[in-house]
Amino acid sequence: KAGVTQTPRYLIKTRGQQVTLSCSPISGHRSVSWYQQTPGQGLQFLFEYFSETQRNKGNFPGRFSGRQFSNSRSEMNVSTLELGDSALYLCASSLEGGTGNTIYFGEGSWLTVV
Amino acid sequence: GESVGLHLPTLSVQEGDNSIINCAYSNSASDYFIWYKQESGKGPQFIIDIRSNMDKRQGQRVTVLLNKTVKHLSLQIAATQPGDSAVYFCAENGANSKLTFGKGITLSVRP
Repeated sequence: KAGVTQTPRYLIKTRGQQVTLSCSPISGHRSVSWYQQTPGQGLQFLFEYFSETQRNKGNFPGRFSGRQFSNSRSEMNVSTLELGDSALYLCASSLEGGTGNTIYFGEGSWLTVV
Repeated sequence: GESVGLHLPTLSVQEGDNSIINCAYSNSASDYFIWYKQESGKGPQFIIDIRSNMDKRQGQRVTVLLNKTVKHLSLQIAATQPGDSAVYFCAENGANSKLTFGKGITLSVRP
């Protein structure tokens, strides 16, 4: 069974640009969540989607957005990139979401903003 | 506010010894906890989880202990191997798959 797949793995963008990251959850998983990981802030929750609806959102500005498709695949978008957005963006999936469901992570997308 | 914290930033152990990684959490309402291992350049890898109605759970070479009285979680790794070298995170699973992570502790295994 394939794990959580994220693309692209590495990318470099310029300040002011926007970026879209893609995530394919484990087959059968309907909940997809996104996290940002930086050396200074650690792992921080961005948002969670279930059945194409955002169920929960972390404390990030509106430049960070996401969506989920009917096949549970998800994308996140960051607009007007800032240097501080440089981070590892992690996608995670679980069967139904909610507490008690094992959450599995992908390898992440490394974003560098220059 | 909610927080999940790790007591020490680094831990160095001799290969073959047992490792114990500790974690404190502050939300007494938390009912599900997970340990993850993250190797350099990779995403967090699920190790073991435990629900609040349990105080101990065992996996392959790993044991998680939960003490709700003092809001403390620990991960024990038996016969630590070089491949166990990584950063370890404890996480609290709240509503709607939101995980609150600790800062992480680096486990270094000496040959």
